Amino acid sequence: GQQVMQIPQYQHVQEGEDFTTYCNSSTTLSNIQWYKQRPGGHPVFLIQLVKSGEVKKQKRLTFQFGEAKKNSSLHITATQTTDVGTYFCAGRTAGNMLTFGGGTRLMVKP
Amino acid sequence: DGGITQSPKYLFRKEGQNVTLSCEQNLNHDAMYWYRQDPGQGLRLIYYSQIVNDFQKGDIAEGYSVSREKKESFPLTVTSAQKNPTAFYLCASTIGLADYNEQFFGPGTRLTVL
Repeated sequence: GQQVMQIPQYQHVQEGEDFTTYCNSSTTLSNIQWYKQRPGGHPVFLIQLVKSGEVKKQKRLTFQFGEAKKNSSLHITATQTTDVGTYFCAGRTAGNMLTFGGGTRLMVKP
Repeated sequence: DGGITQSPKYLFRKEGQNVTLSCEQNLNHDAMYWYRQDPGQGLRLIYYSQIVNDFQKGDIAEGYSVSREKKESFPLTVTSAQKNPTAFYLCASTIGLADYNEQFFGPGTRLTVL
């Protein structure tokens, strides 16, 4: 079955440092979504990428979809304490359900 | 205020008991989903429903059951057959089952088996 792997599992950064999480799928994806879950909260949709090589930005967050549509990344520039949480990618092959990665838990030291 | 509600927030049950988790949405979404989240892990799909009176098994349906009698409601029953039910349960909905719909999540129910 489809597998979506996400690395790293955990990341501690000093406030102001950059952060990147990577997502890799065993199969080609039709699209990929990213979600953020704050501690004790529920996942909240951030963005969706559909096209090969697509890059989207949301303020300090940059999302990329690989050329082969099998990998994706989320990069946060100059992290802030408000960025704390777990970031999940979720990939979908055509016609199938979303498959979530295991998440990357980001901790930011002030 | 449109959204998804789940109740209760915390639930304790004794081994061998069935328990039902509530999920209600007023977003007028057709599709609804149940996920299970274990500590430090991602979300795994239990069941989903595209329309009223129809539902499909996800990746980890064993020991769970659902119903979809109304568009707004998709309750999940955790049966005594579920061997390791302690987890965080999340309900979600989308406009439809199409590929390009974002999922809206409820606040979750944390189930602990004593």
